[in-house]
Amino acid sequence: EIVVTQSPATLSVSPGERATLSCRASQSVGSNLAWYQQKPGQAPRLLVYGVSTRATGVPARLSGGGSGTEFTLTISSLQSEDFAIYYCHQYNNWPFTFGQGTRLE
Amino acid sequence: EVQLVESGGGLVQPGGSLRLSCAASGFTFSSYWMYWVRQAPGKGLTCVSRINSDGSITTYADSVKGRFTISRDNAKNTLHLQLNSLRAEDTAMFYCVRFGGSPTWGQGTMVTVSS
Repeated sequence: EIVVTQSPATLSVSPGERATLSCRASQSVGSNLAWYQQKPGQAPRLLVYGVSTRATGVPARLSGGGSGTEFTLTISSLQSEDFAIYYCHQYNNWPFTFGQGTRLE
Repeated sequence: EVQLVESGGGLVQPGGSLRLSCAASGFTFSSYWMYWVRQAPGKGLTCVSRINSDGSITTYADSVKGRFTISRDNAKNTLHLQLNSLRAEDTAMFYCVRFGGSPTWGQGTMVTVSS
Protein backbone atom coordinates (compact mmCIF):
# COMPACT_ATOMS: atom_id res chain seq x y z
CA GLU A 1 0.00 0.00 0.00
CA ILE A 2 1.28 3.46 -0.89
CA VAL A 3 1.52 5.66 2.17
CA VAL A 4 0.74 9.31 1.57
CA THR A 5 2.14 11.78 4.09
CA GLN A 6 1.12 15.41 4.24
CA SER A 7 2.95 18.23 5.94
CA PRO A 8 2.45 20.21 7.98
CA ALA A 9 -0.55 18.85 9.88
CA THR A 10 -1.67 22.39 10.62
CA LEU A 11 -0.65 25.59 8.86
CA SER A 12 -1.41 28.89 10.52
CA VAL A 13 -1.62 31.66 7.97
CA SER A 14 -3.33 35.02 7.47
CA PRO A 15 -5.57 36.14 4.62
CA GLY A 16 -3.51 37.45 1.73
CA GLU A 17 -0.52 35.27 2.58
CA ARG A 18 0.84 32.43 0.47
CA ALA A 19 0.42 28.84 1.65
CA THR A 20 2.30 25.80 0.43
CA LEU A 21 1.05 22.33 1.37
CA SER A 22 3.27 19.32 0.85
CA CYS A 23 2.48 15.71 0.05
CA ARG A 24 4.87 12.78 -0.17
CA ALA A 25 4.10 9.30 -1.46
CA SER A 26 6.04 6.23 -0.35
CA GLN A 27 6.55 5.26 -4.00
CA SER A 28 5.98 6.87 -7.36
CA VAL A 29 2.36 7.62 -8.24
CA GLY A 30 3.10 8.97 -11.73
CA SER A 31 0.66 11.78 -12.46
CA ASN A 32 -2.21 10.19 -10.53
CA LEU A 33 -2.30 12.66 -7.67
CA ALA A 34 -5.22 14.85 -6.64
CA TRP A 35 -5.96 17.46 -4.01
CA TYR A 36 -9.26 17.93 -2.19
CA GLN A 37 -10.63 20.59 0.11
CA GLN A 38 -13.09 19.70 2.84
CA LYS A 39 -15.12 21.94 5.10
CA PRO A 40 -17.14 20.75 8.11
CA GLY A 41 -20.26 18.84 7.18
CA GLN A 42 -19.40 18.81 3.49
CA ALA A 43 -18.15 16.25 1.01
CA PRO A 44 -14.60 16.66 -0.24
CA ARG A 45 -14.34 19.12 -3.09
CA LEU A 46 -11.94 18.30 -5.91
CA LEU A 47 -9.38 21.05 -6.46
CA VAL A 48 -6.65 19.52 -8.61
CA TYR A 49 -6.20 16.20 -10.40
CA GLY A 50 -3.46 14.79 -12.56
CA VAL A 51 -1.00 16.67 -10.31
CA SER A 52 -1.70 20.09 -11.81
CA THR A 53 -5.06 20.23 -13.62
CA ARG A 54 -7.48 22.50 -11.80
CA ALA A 55 -11.03 21.25 -11.51
CA THR A 56 -13.87 23.28 -12.96
CA GLY A 57 -14.45 26.47 -11.03
CA VAL A 58 -11.24 26.35 -9.03
CA PRO A 59 -9.53 29.74 -9.01
CA ALA A 60 -6.12 30.22 -10.61
CA ARG A 61 -4.57 31.20 -7.27
CA LEU A 62 -4.55 27.48 -6.45
CA SER A 63 -1.91 25.47 -8.24
CA GLY A 64 -0.63 21.93 -7.98
CA GLY A 65 2.84 20.72 -8.85
CA GLY A 66 5.44 18.07 -8.35
CA SER A 67 6.23 14.67 -9.72
CA GLY A 68 7.00 11.11 -8.74
CA THR A 69 6.71 11.12 -4.98
CA GLU A 70 6.81 14.81 -4.02
CA PHE A 71 3.89 17.15 -4.61
CA THR A 72 2.69 20.55 -3.54
CA LEU A 73 -0.48 22.59 -3.50
CA THR A 74 0.10 26.32 -3.45
CA ILE A 75 -2.48 28.96 -2.65
CA SER A 76 -0.98 32.26 -3.73
CA SER A 77 -3.14 34.67 -1.73
CA LEU A 78 -5.36 33.15 0.91
CA GLN A 79 -8.99 34.14 0.99
CA SER A 80 -11.36 33.52 3.89
CA GLU A 81 -13.03 30.64 2.03
CA ASP A 82 -9.70 28.79 1.79
CA PHE A 83 -9.56 27.95 5.49
CA ALA A 84 -10.37 24.24 5.53
CA ILE A 85 -8.74 20.81 5.56
CA TYR A 86 -6.83 19.73 2.46
CA TYR A 87 -6.19 16.12 1.46
CA CYS A 88 -3.87 14.77 -1.16
CA HIS A 89 -4.81 11.50 -2.78
CA GLN A 90 -2.99 8.96 -4.93
CA TYR A 91 -5.03 6.95 -7.39
CA ASN A 92 -2.19 5.19 -9.11
CA ASN A 93 -2.16 1.94 -7.12
CA TRP A 94 -4.96 0.11 -5.31
CA PRO A 95 -5.79 0.60 -2.57
CA PHE A 96 -6.02 4.27 -3.44
CA THR A 97 -4.87 6.22 -0.41
CA PHE A 98 -5.22 9.66 1.07
CA GLY A 99 -2.95 11.74 3.23
CA GLN A 100 -4.02 12.52 6.76
CA GLY A 101 -4.83 16.12 5.83
CA THR A 102 -3.45 19.59 6.39
CA ARG A 103 -5.62 22.05 8.28
CA LEU A 104 -5.34 25.67 7.20
CA GLU A 105 -6.21 27.95 10.04
CA GLU B 1 -24.21 17.71 -15.19
CA VAL B 2 -22.39 14.76 -13.71
CA GLN B 3 -24.11 13.74 -10.49
CA LEU B 4 -23.87 10.97 -7.91
CA VAL B 5 -26.57 10.64 -5.25
CA GLU B 6 -26.18 8.17 -2.39
CA SER B 7 -28.95 6.70 -0.28
CA GLY B 8 -29.58 3.88 2.15
CA GLY B 9 -27.62 4.96 5.19
CA GLY B 10 -29.03 4.93 8.70
CA LEU B 11 -28.74 3.61 12.22
CA VAL B 12 -28.12 -0.11 12.58
CA GLN B 13 -27.18 -2.38 15.47
CA PRO B 14 -23.83 -4.15 15.59
CA GLY B 15 -24.00 -7.28 13.47
CA GLY B 16 -26.70 -5.78 11.28
CA SER B 17 -26.84 -5.05 7.58
CA LEU B 18 -27.49 -2.14 5.26
CA ARG B 19 -27.55 -1.69 1.50
CA LEU B 20 -26.24 1.57 0.14
CA SER B 21 -27.12 2.80 -3.33
CA CYS B 22 -25.69 5.46 -5.60
CA ALA B 23 -27.66 6.85 -8.53
CA ALA B 24 -25.46 8.18 -11.31
CA SER B 25 -26.42 10.64 -14.01
CA GLY B 26 -24.84 12.95 -16.56
CA PHE B 27 -22.21 10.52 -17.85
CA THR B 28 -21.91 7.07 -19.39
CA PHE B 29 -21.99 5.11 -16.14
CA SER B 30 -21.20 1.79 -17.80
CA SER B 31 -17.82 3.09 -18.99
CA TYR B 32 -16.31 3.81 -15.60
CA TRP B 33 -14.86 2.02 -12.63
CA MET B 34 -16.75 3.13 -9.54
CA TYR B 35 -15.65 3.36 -5.92
CA TRP B 36 -16.90 3.66 -2.36
CA VAL B 37 -14.93 5.84 0.04
CA ARG B 38 -15.72 6.22 3.72
CA GLN B 39 -14.89 8.77 6.37
CA ALA B 40 -15.38 8.10 10.05
CA PRO B 41 -16.45 11.13 12.11
CA GLY B 42 -13.51 13.49 12.53
CA LYS B 43 -11.20 11.17 10.63
CA GLY B 44 -9.62 10.89 7.19
CA LEU B 45 -10.72 9.26 3.95
CA THR B 46 -10.42 5.57 3.10
CA CYS B 47 -11.22 3.74 -0.12
CA VAL B 48 -13.16 0.61 0.80
CA SER B 49 -14.17 -0.94 -2.49
CA ARG B 50 -14.13 -0.62 -6.26
CA ILE B 51 -15.80 -2.28 -9.23
CA ASN B 52 -14.89 -2.27 -12.86
CA SER B 53 -17.13 -1.01 -15.63
CA ASP B 54 -18.98 -4.26 -16.33
CA GLY B 55 -19.01 -5.52 -12.76
CA SER B 56 -16.73 -8.48 -13.37
CA ILE B 57 -13.90 -7.22 -11.12
CA THR B 58 -14.36 -6.16 -7.51
CA THR B 59 -11.75 -5.22 -4.92
CA TYR B 60 -11.98 -4.47 -1.22
CA ALA B 61 -9.92 -2.96 1.55
CA ASP B 62 -8.76 -5.59 4.03
CA SER B 63 -10.89 -4.02 6.77
CA VAL B 64 -14.13 -4.82 4.94
CA LYS B 65 -13.23 -7.93 2.95
CA GLY B 66 -15.79 -10.68 3.46
CA ARG B 67 -18.34 -8.30 4.99
CA PHE B 68 -19.03 -5.74 2.24
CA THR B 69 -20.10 -6.48 -1.33
CA ILE B 70 -20.00 -3.97 -4.15
CA SER B 71 -22.20 -4.37 -7.22
CA ARG B 72 -23.65 -2.33 -10.04
CA ASP B 73 -26.63 -2.26 -12.38
CA ASN B 74 -25.54 -0.55 -15.57
CA ALA B 75 -29.08 -0.66 -16.99
CA LYS B 76 -30.23 1.47 -14.06
CA ASN B 77 -27.02 3.53 -13.67
CA THR B 78 -26.81 2.45 -10.06
CA LEU B 79 -23.98 1.38 -7.77
CA HIS B 80 -24.58 -0.60 -4.59
CA LEU B 81 -22.67 -1.52 -1.47
CA GLN B 82 -24.04 -4.30 0.73
CA LEU B 83 -22.78 -3.93 4.28
CA ASN B 84 -23.03 -7.03 6.49
CA SER B 85 -21.76 -7.90 9.97
CA LEU B 86 -21.48 -4.22 10.78
CA ARG B 87 -19.27 -3.07 13.62
CA ALA B 88 -19.11 0.15 15.61
CA GLU B 89 -15.91 1.05 13.74
CA ASP B 90 -17.84 1.01 10.45
CA THR B 91 -19.66 4.16 11.54
CA ALA B 92 -18.86 6.62 8.79
CA MET B 93 -20.06 8.75 5.93
CA PHE B 94 -19.96 6.67 2.77
CA TYR B 95 -19.26 8.39 -0.53
CA CYS B 96 -19.81 7.09 -4.04
CA VAL B 97 -16.97 8.26 -6.29
CA ARG B 98 -16.01 8.21 -9.94
CA PHE B 99 -12.23 8.73 -10.03
CA GLY B 100 -11.90 8.48 -13.79
CA GLY B 101 -11.62 11.66 -15.83
CA SER B 102 -12.37 14.58 -13.52
CA PRO B 103 -13.13 12.86 -10.20
CA THR B 104 -16.71 13.27 -9.02
CA TRP B 105 -18.09 12.60 -5.54
CA GLY B 106 -21.59 12.28 -4.19
CA GLN B 107 -22.70 14.07 -1.04
CA GLY B 108 -22.52 10.90 1.02
CA THR B 109 -24.83 8.76 3.13
CA MET B 110 -24.23 8.31 6.85
CA VAL B 111 -24.00 4.87 8.42
CA THR B 112 -24.16 4.68 12.20
CA VAL B 113 -23.56 1.36 13.93
CA SER B 114 -24.68 1.49 17.53
CA SER B 115 -26.81 -0.41 20.01
